[in-house]
Amino acid sequence: AQKITQTQPGMFVQEKEAVTLDCTYDTSDPSYGLFWYKQPSSGEMIFLIYQGSYDQQNATEGRYSLNFQKARKSANLVISASQLGDSAMYFCAMSPRAGGTSYGKLTFGQGTILTVHP
Amino acid sequence: DAGVTQSPTHLIKTRGQHVTLRCSPISGHKSVSWYQQVLGQGPQFIFQYYEKEERGRGNFPDRFSARQFPNYSSELNVNALLLGDSALYLCASTPPGGAYDEQFFGPGTRLTVL
Repeated sequence: AQKITQTQPGMFVQEKEAVTLDCTYDTSDPSYGLFWYKQPSSGEMIFLIYQGSYDQQNATEGRYSLNFQKARKSANLVISASQLGDSAMYFCAMSPRAGGTSYGKLTFGQGTILTVHP
Repeated sequence: DAGVTQSPTHLIKTRGQHVTLRCSPISGHKSVSWYQQVLGQGPQFIFQYYEKEERGRGNFPDRFSARQFPNYSSELNVNALLLGDSALYLCASTPPGGAYDEQFFGPGTRLTVL
């Protein structure tokens, strides 16, 4: 079974500053994928970034980067230069395989509410 | 290109009733997954379908069922509704042969059971 833990119910950050959202995971699968999604108040889940368990380098997508520490089983999301529009719920999730065809079974954490102050 | 679509957007039912939720994946996507998101929690996996076959099922009672049609659209059915079934139901589709299993989510159906 897979498990995702997000220990920060809420986080606050000043506009233009960086913020780190924590995520730890547990799995017995030899290969897996880690995802971060953003969910605004509208409810839509927006994909942000992906990290495969065998990827050597940390993933980056624009202002988003994933700090992947496999030995510690952590996959923290770093948002640089925060914007007011970044205020939302953020979910860490994992799938049982890094690629191929796991056919889309994601296990999500409880989420972290990020509030960006002007 | 159109994204994942779900209908209806909102739905109000009473306890004991039955509900059917519908999902159309992105064109070319053959895999559909369903999730339940109770207010204040992360989404919980319910079902996944690929090529019209059930490929996975989460820890949900038999009151929950689903199917996928030849055009890859999908229905989620819930019988004998309980108050605890009130949630946002999300559908997601996955492209075939991708580098990883990114899921594209629809806007969801918000179900309220009174």
